[in-house]
Amino acid sequence: QKEVEQDPGPLSVPEGAIVSLNCTYSNSAFQYFMWYRQYSRKGPELLMYTYSSGNKEDGRFTAQVDKSSKYISLFIRDSQPSDSATYLCARRDDKIIFGKGTRLHILP
Amino acid sequence: EAGVAQSPRYKIIEKRQSVAFWCNPISGHATLYWYQQILGQGPKLLIQFQNNGVVDDSQLPKDRFSAERLKGVDSTLKIQPAKLEDSAVYLCASSLEAGETEAFFGQGTRLTVV
Repeated sequence: QKEVEQDPGPLSVPEGAIVSLNCTYSNSAFQYFMWYRQYSRKGPELLMYTYSSGNKEDGRFTAQVDKSSKYISLFIRDSQPSDSATYLCARRDDKIIFGKGTRLHILP
Repeated sequence: EAGVAQSPRYKIIEKRQSVAFWCNPISGHATLYWYQQILGQGPKLLIQFQNNGVVDDSQLPKDRFSAERLKGVDSTLKIQPAKLEDSAVYLCASSLEAGETEAFFGQGTRLTVV
């Protein structure tokens, strides 16, 4: 079983919609999670991180961890065409282990 | 603050040839990572250095891949001999320390093995 599982998509939504991206993880001991965004032909860049459970909000982005179901979510409000990218969830302790990434297309 | 620098950006080689990639991390970052990202997949950790020591190389195919980080700064990743399945983007990243700190990625080296 992979440590972090993520649906690769692609996911296409109209501009302005709310986007929900999700991952599951295998080990309940994991506590620190990250969301990276990767544009085509670029390296990943950190978007948000969360520790343990609960929500964290940053502008249009909200990261959520549900430890009871081992579920990690990223919500994007008022989605823009510039949000079109691959979104990678990751668990972080002494190393960073990524999911497969979800390709997101925001349609103008 | 300068980011993580990688070179070359692109490389095309024939199978069984050798290739080397170079990474210069952010100044002062003790931890350096090499990832392999095959098209359509997430980055896979190949090797992690703490200063000039190897912390984790469990996913590195040691029969053909090698990496070093002399003096705890720059790093090189080598493949010898290359196989078709090595075609991927090789990403270098660095962080201040291992643990709960942000890792910064370079733009990667896109390797095509023909």
